[in-house]
Amino acid sequence: EVQLVQSGAEVKKPGESLKISCTGFGYSFTNNWIGWVRQMPGKGLEWMGIIYPGDSETRYNPSFQGQVTISADKSISTAYLQWTSLKASDTAMYYCARAFGVVLLGYFDLWGRGTLVTVSS
Amino acid sequence: DIQMTQSPSTLSASVGDRVTITCRASQSISSWLAWYQQKPGKAPKFLIYKASTLESGVPSRFSGSGSGTEFSLTISSLQPDDFATYYCQQYNNYPWTFGQGTKVEIK
Repeated sequence: EVQLVQSGAEVKKPGESLKISCTGFGYSFTNNWIGWVRQMPGKGLEWMGIIYPGDSETRYNPSFQGQVTISADKSISTAYLQWTSLKASDTAMYYCARAFGVVLLGYFDLWGRGTLVTVSS
Repeated sequence: DIQMTQSPSTLSASVGDRVTITCRASQSISSWLAWYQQKPGKAPKFLIYKASTLESGVPSRFSGSGSGTEFSLTISSLQPDDFATYYCQQYNNYPWTFGQGTKVEIK
C-alpha cells in the first residue's frame, strides 16, 4: 500500500531538541519530493519546506528557515523534521506529504497521518 | 509571498445544495492551484490540481475552475461526507501558500 507513516506524538519541554520522522512505503521514495506542513491548534495549513531524497536538495519557507531542519535518508525511505531548541509556539500537528506535479512540482497528493508535537513546561 | 484568500470562511449548507468556495491570489498564479479537504482530526485529502483537474477517485460532484487570480471549488450536490474544511494552495511561486480555509457546515 502506498502510504507515509509518521512517528508518534511527542511531549517536550521548551529548549529541548526533537526529530520526527516520515517513512514512505509502496512507491519510489528516492525519486519524489517530500514536504512538511504545520497546523497549529485550530488553525490552517502552513508549508514549511520540501526535500528531494535522491540528492537531499531542500527548499524552505523563509518563515521556517533557521528554525527547523529538513533531512532525509533515502536508504531507509525516511524524511525528518528536526528542532534544536523547541518553543511553546512549536506546539502543532506536523504532516509530511509527498509533493508531486504534472509539469510543475507543487501539490501534495499523499499525506501522512500527522505527528502531534506538544511543547510545555 | 503570495497571499491566498478564501471566501467565505464558513459556509452553512444542506445536503443536496450546490456550494461554491472562492480562492483569490494576491498576484497571478496561472493555473497552479490545488484544493484539499480536511475533516476534524484527519490529514488533508488532495482533491484537485492545476485548478481544475480532479485527482483520481475524487467524486465528480467536485469541480474546480479559474486562472490568474480568481479560482473556485464547486460541489454540485453536497453530500453528508462533504462537510469539512477546504483549503486552496498555490504552487506558482515559493513559498507555496495555503488559503486560510473554508469550513462547510450543516445548516
